[in-house]
Amino acid sequence: DADVTQTPRNRITKTGKRIMLECSQTKGHDRMYWYRQDPGLGLRLIYYSFDVKDINKGEISDGYSVSRQAQAKFSLSLESAIPNQTALYFCATSDSGPRGQPQHFGDGTRLSIL
Amino acid sequence: GDSVTQMEGPVTLSEEAFLTINCTYTATGYPSLFWYVQYPGEGLQLLLKATKADDKGSNKGFEATYRKETTSFHLEKGSVQVSDSAVYFCALYNNAGNMLTFGGGTRLMVKP
Repeated sequence: DADVTQTPRNRITKTGKRIMLECSQTKGHDRMYWYRQDPGLGLRLIYYSFDVKDINKGEISDGYSVSRQAQAKFSLSLESAIPNQTALYFCATSDSGPRGQPQHFGDGTRLSIL
Repeated sequence: GDSVTQMEGPVTLSEEAFLTINCTYTATGYPSLFWYVQYPGEGLQLLLKATKADDKGSNKGFEATYRKETTSFHLEKGSVQVSDSAVYFCALYNNAGNMLTFGGGTRLMVKP
């Protein structure tokens, strides 16, 4: 979905390095999410934000932090990367509203930690 | 907590075959249910959804019916095409948790 842009698309780095993944959206949505995808495990929620001043931990937040710099920007940081954080990372957005609004995903960032 | 279980793949079918991908869930309350599709190298796209019991979601020839009595939301298509080859994810949204819970995904491969 071109309306949700993730950078970089691919990144290879070493254990112990600090990494930042960025996400920007032009959909005007209030809600933004970060997920990681591992084979056979589906997507698991890392952090989510319902507006600029709201940050919430998801299922697997340990080792990660986020920053919501503006309504349109939501970045994910790995303070000290470790090999088991190698995964495909997705940013998503959704509108607010009842009954679970559909989420719109970026194309993902493939992160490899050596 | 909430959980979603999908049949393991890969599912390999010939073009024009009938498709069923099973999905069952465990959740408190009345969740909304979704199917997402992921094509190679891309993010997930919403395929269809249902927000209450007995609702049928449909899109691009795919259908799924929200069955509360069997806690299921099976995905079906009458005649698959090669272009349907992708990974399919069942998911639920529970208002109490404010988050989507995904199944593990099922890879579909359609051969000409």
